[in-house]
Amino acid sequence: GESVGLHLPTLSVQEGDNSIINCAYSNSASDYFIWYKQESGKGPQFIIDIRSNMDKRQGQRVTVLLNKTVKHLSLQIAATQPGDSAVYFCAESRGRDDKIIFGKGTRLHILP
Amino acid sequence: NAGVTQTPKFQVLKTGQSMTLQCAQDMNHNSMYWYRQDPGMGLRLIYYSASEGTTDKGEVPNGYNVSRLNKREFSLRLESAAPSQTSVYFCASSQDGTSGVTGELFFGEGSRLTVL
Repeated sequence: GESVGLHLPTLSVQEGDNSIINCAYSNSASDYFIWYKQESGKGPQFIIDIRSNMDKRQGQRVTVLLNKTVKHLSLQIAATQPGDSAVYFCAESRGRDDKIIFGKGTRLHILP
Repeated sequence: NAGVTQTPKFQVLKTGQSMTLQCAQDMNHNSMYWYRQDPGMGLRLIYYSASEGTTDKGEVPNGYNVSRLNKREFSLRLESAAPSQTSVYFCASSQDGTSGVTGELFFGEGSRLTVL
């Protein structure tokens, strides 16, 4: 079936390095994509979003890239910090009913 | 500013018991959602309400009912709890689904439910 998924369940990155978290989607009708961060024991928090008419969007220390040709989404975190340790979810909105569907998540570990 | 408030935070039920999870938001948002999160899994949408007076099924609606009581409140009811419903439940709200300027969801802290 169609779903939002992730390439890697766990990612370990040296503090100060850049992190890249990947996500694949299969529904070409999806037109809105969002990244969320979830810290232990808390609800997810919005990081950044992108619509299908864009290829790239930048925020504070984060960049989201969208490649519609291969249905791939990535989140880049610059100069990774200990506070970036969390589970990161990509999510997509499909069609006109505006439901937001989440992928399984990637856990980001920051190495000292 | 409380944002999204869920009650209770923890609950233990026996199989067959019923209960209602309450959710309220104070941001004047139109859309509200209920998700469940199982260990090592993403969030799965149970039900959502795009506006007051409307509700729609999500990915995993079986075994649940919802009520959009007013613009602020969206409750989730388990009529006859089953062990498969052991999970962490999250309520969320957004201004206008994904059709607005941003589809950002604001989440509550979660309700941890165990069904024995």
